[in-house]
Amino acid sequence: QVQLQESGPGLVKPSQTLSLTCTVSGGSISSGSYYWSWIRQPAGKGLEWIGRIYTSGSTNYNPSLKSRVTISVDTSKNQFSLKLSSVTAADTAVYYCARDKGWPSYYFDYWGQGTLVTVSS
Amino acid sequence: QSVLTQPPSASGTPGQRVTISCSGSSSNIGSNTVNWYQQLPGTAPKLLIYSNNQRPSGVPDRFSGSKSGTSASLAISGLQSEDEADYYCAAWDDSLVVFGGGTKLTVL
Repeated sequence: QVQLQESGPGLVKPSQTLSLTCTVSGGSISSGSYYWSWIRQPAGKGLEWIGRIYTSGSTNYNPSLKSRVTISVDTSKNQFSLKLSSVTAADTAVYYCARDKGWPSYYFDYWGQGTLVTVSS
Repeated sequence: QSVLTQPPSASGTPGQRVTISCSGSSSNIGSNTVNWYQQLPGTAPKLLIYSNNQRPSGVPDRFSGSKSGTSASLAISGLQSEDEADYYCAAWDDSLVVFGGGTKLTVL
């Protein structure tokens, strides 16, 4: 059973960079034709896809966040990471990592429990 | 404002059948498959329906999905109190995954 766990600081100052890591267990991040995605959810609001990475390093980002987002993968540690720069209060949200089936169905079948990141001075 | 449009709320009594709609456009639902997620209070979303009408292992057959043109629907039959949750539709749109705004289902 694949499990995902987000980790990282719960508080980030405005204008700084948010950094999160997702650790995958129960299977190799490199096995199967899967992407690995980040999704966020502000309190009381809906879901927003941030971007994805394939184990080859190929990435896709949400155009609305593309200029500030970097997603990377470390297959030796079975982890992938998110960096979001120049954060503001609008970036305060629960951040989820998820396994992404990719083309043609693009569904997320395994999710982490989520981690709350608050942007505040 | 979400790319996919869902009603903000829905309700039903135990045993009833309820449906939740999801409206999109030719660039998302019209040309790609639709997935549905269930989010129980305080928990991460869970995949409920994928590829328009497929249920992952472990999802009861009370849940079903359909798609026609640029719209999709989630149906829940034999409504149970544990079905009270937020439901989100999602689809690929050109270069990103887009979600509906979510529908809060209340079991009366």
